[in-house]
Amino acid sequence: AQSVAQPEDQVNVAEGNPLTVKCTYSVSGNPYLFWYVQYPNRGLQFLLKYITGDNLVKGSYGFEAEFNKSQTSFHLKKPSALVSDSALYFCAVRDLESGGGADGITFGKGTHLIIQP
Amino acid sequence: DTEVTQTPKHLVMGMTNKKSLKCEQHMGHRAMYWYKQKAKKPPELMFVYSYEKLSINESVPSRFSPECPNSSLLNLHLHALQPEDSALYLCASSPKTSKAQYFGPGTRLLVL
Repeated sequence: AQSVAQPEDQVNVAEGNPLTVKCTYSVSGNPYLFWYVQYPNRGLQFLLKYITGDNLVKGSYGFEAEFNKSQTSFHLKKPSALVSDSALYFCAVRDLESGGGADGITFGKGTHLIIQP
Repeated sequence: DTEVTQTPKHLVMGMTNKKSLKCEQHMGHRAMYWYKQKAKKPPELMFVYSYEKLSINESVPSRFSPECPNSSLLNLHLHALQPEDSALYLCASSPKTSKAQYFGPGTRLLVL
């Protein structure tokens, strides 16, 4: 079984400040982790992924995420927030050991990121 | 071409209507997906097609019927829907089911 938790419904950050959106996961094997962003009335846009390699993953729009195996976390970060970063952010996971190859990914409930001017 | 397209963007239908949602990608992806998303909720997986074969049906009601005519196209046929089926329907594709998924803009469906 696989699951992902986003403990914060909403994160408020002042423009120019660093931001962090938290995500923790649970899988029985090794995780394949993703971050997606959704702007109002739009589909999901892929930001970044982690499968193996460096624990710090760089993605689109200046975002990065840090994989921490001991804490089973994959927090999304950006050094300097922009007002245009305001959106709904979803963390997602897939268990690489789930087998069959036919499973979809499991999404967290989402975190609203609000960047204040 | 690096995008997933969906038509129509908006759809209003009565409970006795039959309609279809369409999804297309030309990235050579061999896995395609339908998700349902309610407002301010995460997407919920409905169907997965892998190499044009249905590999998951997450206990979706039979009033939703998927079809994958070829590797680039994915349809969702709708019949006798209920008002609670109103949602954003998202299509996604990936090179194979173990890879990152790329989403279309969605079809916003309203059932009256």
